[in-house]
Amino acid sequence: GIQVEQSPPDLILQEGANSTLRCNFSDSVNNLQWFHQNPWGQLINLFYIPSGTKQNGRLSATTVATERYSLLYISSSQTTDSGVYFCAVGSDAGGTSYGKLTFGQGTILTVHP
Amino acid sequence: EAQVTQNPRYLITVTGKKLTVTCSQNMNHEYMSWYRQDPGLGLRQIYYSMNVEVTDKGDVPEGYKVSRKEKRNFPLILESPSPNQTSLYFCASSLYPQVGEQYFGPGTRLTVT
Repeated sequence: GIQVEQSPPDLILQEGANSTLRCNFSDSVNNLQWFHQNPWGQLINLFYIPSGTKQNGRLSATTVATERYSLLYISSSQTTDSGVYFCAVGSDAGGTSYGKLTFGQGTILTVHP
Repeated sequence: EAQVTQNPRYLITVTGKKLTVTCSQNMNHEYMSWYRQDPGLGLRQIYYSMNVEVTDKGDVPEGYKVSRKEKRNFPLILESPSPNQTSLYFCASSLYPQVGEQYFGPGTRLTVT
C-alpha cells in the first residue's frame, strides 16, 4: 500500500515563530488532507488539498502531486496551535485501494508562550 | 449543527464481552470510516463504507465487524474483544470517498481488561 512519511516528528517553537511541516507519499494520490489533533484528542480537518495551494488565516498548504509531497505552513504560531498534525492520503490506484485513507505518523508541535 | 457523534465516549469492558460503538452523522455523507489510534502507530483504518450496504476492509479489520443499513449510521462491533483492542477509536465521514474533507467524531476510548 501507499506509504506516508511526515517530518519532522517533533517541533518546538516560541510563540510568533513560523514553521513548515512536510508530508511525503510513495504513490500518486487523488486525496490528501491535513488534520490537527488538539491536546484533548479532537481531530479537525485543516485542508483538503490533493493538489495546488490553499490558505486559511495563518495556515496554508501546498501539494505538489507530481513530486509526491505536501507542505503545511504555520505562520505567527500561537500556543493554541500545539498538538499533532497529521497528513492523510488516498491513492488513485483504484481497485482495492479506492476508499482507503492512509495516515502519516504525525508531527508533534509544541508552541511555548 | 453538522456533526459526527459516537457513543459511548469511554468504555471499560472485559475480554470476550460483545460490544458495539455507535456512529452517526447528520450531513447526508455517503462515505463513513472507522479508525483506531495507538501510541507510536498513528491512525489506522479499520473498515470503511462507500454507501448503504457497501463496506470494505481497511488496514486492520481483524476482530471487528461493521454494518451500514442506513446512510447516517455506521456501528463498529467487537464480537469478542481482546486486550489488544484497547485503543482510541474514531468514526469519520465525508461526502464522497475520495473527494472532500473528512469529519471526525469525538472519539471513543476503549479499555479491554
